[in-house]
Order: sequence, then structure tokens, then C-alpha cells
Amino acid sequence: GAGVSQSPSNKVTEKGKDVELRCDPISGHTALYWYRQSLGQGLEFLIYFQGNSAPDKSGLPSDRFSAERTGGSVSTLTIQRTQQEDSAVYLCASSLGARGEKLFFGSGTQLSVL
Amino acid sequence: AQSVTQLGSHVSVSEGALVLLRCNYSSSVPPYLFWYVQYPNQGLQLLLKYTTGATLVKGINGFEAEFKKSETSFHLTKPSAHMSDAAEYFCAASNNNAGNMLTFGGGTRLMVKP
Repeated sequence: GAGVSQSPSNKVTEKGKDVELRCDPISGHTALYWYRQSLGQGLEFLIYFQGNSAPDKSGLPSDRFSAERTGGSVSTLTIQRTQQEDSAVYLCASSLGARGEKLFFGSGTQLSVL
Repeated sequence: AQSVTQLGSHVSVSEGALVLLRCNYSSSVPPYLFWYVQYPNQGLQLLLKYTTGATLVKGINGFEAEFKKSETSFHLTKPSAHMSDAAEYFCAASNNNAGNMLTFGGGTRLMVKP
């Protein structure tokens, strides 16, 4: 596609429910990144994919968070048993490769956990 | 470990005045350095980046930044602020040896007064 697409743009859920956030990167981009933007906490790196593999998962806040990428394209970030502190904007970005190339960001998914 | 510090979570300038947004990094190796801008209700956009070569980097919308290794700084400047520059600005660093994962500073909200 023309840009990085994220869905849904807004998600409101109840505490304890599972949510899935989707990212569709720019076609041909091999690297894909998930970030979280929490109020008052800035941007936080979560996980990075090169192709379908994730060399570094150390940024995931807890074992309730997981992510996968299939076919070297679409990625899904899953949060199980959501907590109120999970409320944030979840941003996806992609780049052509993984060595300093320009990142293209999606518009994010605003997650609100009630 | 790498870290990025932005001094001042909020900066206010008058229209036409100099814009100076400060960024300092700590890294065991010279990093790639970036400035991103987030306009209200929009996703992150790359303003400029430093990889190698000339230490003064020019970006979009009249912004520039200078990489000063001795000061471990990458401050963002613009000679004359415009109302449309009001946004959140993020400084980020990437350690080439670790791939393209970005470490972001906390962000600086720039406000421009008429």
C-alpha cells in the first residue's frame, strides 16, 4: 500500500479482555517495528521483525504481550488480559531494511482499557 | 545501553523567533540520530537524520540539526518559528550494530505564540 496501515484506529476494551492490533506495512519493507506511546512517557520500543522473525523481544512489557508476522508482511500485536496501564497509542513502523533506513510510521491504534 | 534525553518537555517561542530543541544521547558507539515530528492528530514524520559525513544536517520545513560528538548532542534548530511548527518533536537514536531499533527521547512539545 501507499503507507503503513494500522487497524483499528481506536479500540475500547474492558479490563481482562484480549485485544489484537494489526499493522500492514509498506509493500516490500522487510523490517517492521512496534512502539507504544503512553501519556507522559514518550515513545517506547516494543518489538522488531526482520522478515518473519523477531530478533529482539526484550521491549515487550510483559508475557501478556506477543506479536507475530506472517508472510513477511502483516503483523499482529496481541495483548492478553488487558490492564488499564496498557492504555496507550500503539504505533507500527516499517522500513526497507534494518540499517538506518527511514522509518515510515502508521497513524497508530489508540487503545483504551476501562 | 543507549539513551536519549530531551531537555524540556515543553518549549514556547514567539512566531519568528529562533527554535532550539535540545537532545543529548549516550551510546557506546556513534549512533544514527533522528528527529521526528508529530503534528496534532497525525503520525510521526521524519524531519532529518544523521548517519555519517557532514555533521550539520538539513531537514524539511527549514529545520536543521548539528551532530556534536564532543557534546553528545544533536540539537534541532530553526531560525524563525512559524505557527505551523507547533507539534511534538522526538529525538531518537539507533545503534547500527543492533539494527534499526530506535530509542526515543521523551519528546518536546513546541508551542508557537502569535
